[in-house]
Amino acid sequence: GAVVSQHPSRVICKSGTSVKIECRSLDFQATTMFWYRQFPKQSLMLMATSNEGSKATYEQGVEKDKFLINHASLTLSTLTVTSAHPEDSSFYICSARDGWTEAFFGQGTRLTVV
Amino acid sequence: GQNIDQPTEMTATEGAIVQINCTYQTSGFNGLFWYQQHAGEAPTFLSYNVLDGLEEKGRFSSFLSRSKGYSYLLLKELQMKDSASYLCAVRDTTGGSYIPTFGRGTSLIVHP
Repeated sequence: GAVVSQHPSRVICKSGTSVKIECRSLDFQATTMFWYRQFPKQSLMLMATSNEGSKATYEQGVEKDKFLINHASLTLSTLTVTSAHPEDSSFYICSARDGWTEAFFGQGTRLTVV
Repeated sequence: GQNIDQPTEMTATEGAIVQINCTYQTSGFNGLFWYQQHAGEAPTFLSYNVLDGLEEKGRFSSFLSRSKGYSYLLLKELQMKDSASYLCAVRDTTGGSYIPTFGRGTSLIVHP
């Protein structure tokens, strides 16, 4: 299957700072990338859908000014958690889709805000 | 949107067979996925069904009935490493977005 690389895998930051998470499709061009958040023992909750070259579409209840998504190229999307707070601590996962293929997931990023 | 339902937890014995069911309700069905997720890791793709019937891939098989809004994942010859969460996800065409929605996942515990 296709490879999606997500970085960093773990990050600890202080409350009030910003954190950037990168998601790259390594061997295909991802027309669409998804960003999910997963709390312990819960399912993946879609945060936003990003299409290359256009603004991301955020799910209801997700603050677009807090979770900034940039999909500047067909192989890279970034999620920036701005002014992070402890309640933002979670497992963030990206997935990428090439046309009609099933989405492939990155390795996930464990964010801990202290 | 979708309403996806799967059991929260199941247990099974090493070497046995287990079936994990998933029911869904959607207005624009465009495929059902099964993923395996070990604790602290991202999901990995197992199977994809868009037509009715059984898809077999090694020890894992997935079945779909679109008329019943029903799928199952069948795991044969269970191994300890199969202990994981199994996520059912349905892709919906509503709004032309084709976005998959995930169920809560079924935590499978395989014991000796």
